[in-house]
Amino acid sequence: DTGVSQDPRHKITKRGQNVTFRCDPISEHNRLYWYRQTLGQGPEFLTYFQNEAQLEKSRLLSDRFSAERPKGSFSTLEIQRTEQGDSAMYLCASSLWGGGETQYFGPGTRLLVL
Amino acid sequence: AQSVTQLDSQVPVFEEAPVELRCNYSSSVSVYLFWYVQYPNQGLQLLLKYLSGSTLVKGINGFEAEFNKSQTSFHLRKPSVHISDTAEYFCAVTDMNRDDKIIFGKGTRLHILP
Repeated sequence: DTGVSQDPRHKITKRGQNVTFRCDPISEHNRLYWYRQTLGQGPEFLTYFQNEAQLEKSRLLSDRFSAERPKGSFSTLEIQRTEQGDSAMYLCASSLWGGGETQYFGPGTRLLVL
Repeated sequence: AQSVTQLDSQVPVFEEAPVELRCNYSSSVSVYLFWYVQYPNQGLQLLLKYLSGSTLVKGINGFEAEFNKSQTSFHLRKPSVHISDTAEYFCAVTDMNRDDKIIFGKGTRLHILP
């Protein structure tokens, strides 16, 4: 297995534009998580899926953010009308189940909003 | 709700010297505890985790951590560090009963001095 992959690795956009990120989890993993990491901080939870169901969303996830996992495999995270404050590293992780199961992280997508 | 405090934002240490990275957590419920490492320009990788049982947990790359419930601590140690250990280290916690997201600390940057 090649691990968790994310695309693109880097994205530069202008304020007000929409962006979409993709995450491909480890194939047999049921859980998929999105986190955001800003400079000098640890990752902050955004949302997670169990199979195709989105089970929890953080208050950090404003109405401009939407995530999907339509077939329980890959996931997309879309940010509409980007703002400079959205600049961050967006991390995806997957695990077999929850609880004490290890979450395996992808390399992240670094977003810069100008 | 849980929270994690990493007491040192940066730790400089000479090569081949021992190191301890401190982590304290706050929670009203039982938790699982994790240490993740992030090498420059890479995603997070699990070093070790405490789920139950022995309070001394051994991980990869010669790291170990000790769970101390009375002091709500989970400090990470290595007896002899190498240049290759230069990275950011994140302590994290998850609610054992909620079976969902991980809460991360802000990270400790380990600088290995030659």
